[in-house]
Amino acid sequence: KNEVEQSPQNLTAQEGEFITINCSYSVGISALHWLQQHPGGGIVSLFMLSSGKKKHGRLIATINIQEKHSSLHITASHPRDSAVYICAVSPGGSQGNLIFGKGTKLSVKP
Amino acid sequence: NAGVMQNPRHLVRRRGQEARLRCSPMKGHSHVYWYRQLPEEGLKFMVYLQKENIIDESGMPKERFSAEFPKEGPSILRIQQVVRGDSAAYFCASSPFTTAQPQHFGDGTRLSIL
Repeated sequence: KNEVEQSPQNLTAQEGEFITINCSYSVGISALHWLQQHPGGGIVSLFMLSSGKKKHGRLIATINIQEKHSSLHITASHPRDSAVYICAVSPGGSQGNLIFGKGTKLSVKP
Repeated sequence: NAGVMQNPRHLVRRRGQEARLRCSPMKGHSHVYWYRQLPEEGLKFMVYLQKENIIDESGMPKERFSAEFPKEGPSILRIQQVVRGDSAAYFCASSPFTTAQPQHFGDGTRLSIL
């Protein structure tokens, strides 16, 4: 079993829909990261959080430390949101390396 | 734009050759991480370096792979005697002073082995 599990693996949505991507992890962590990988391959860091909730534009990330679970929400989705969204954790006590989920491939149709 | 710069973007090598991948971190960042993304798989940690020091190389294959981050110049990931299984995208990321900071990623180097 992977230490970081994401669901769903693939997600197709219509423009304007509210989207949720889930991430569960099985190790103690110091932080959780949400990343976006564009179709061209580049990776952008969206959020780093260790508790509660963060919001940036139409993106919201939440984390429940007790349940070892995080969600990434996209409101009013748009075709330009189409990408692979990756959850990653910084294991507690680690020197800085990340453990990654396999990613969720999101396709938003106009 | 002083983002994380990786070069080359694409690298083709024949089996047995050496591959050198370069990463210049963001200005002011002294922590560098290398990750590998095999086809159809997730990213995997390889090595974490600070200037002139390897901090954690627990994800590096024991043979043929090495990494350095000299006092001057970019970080280098070196793969000797490449094999087909080394074909992957290699990403570098950097962060400032401590590990409790978001990592900024480069665009990656796509390595293809003929």
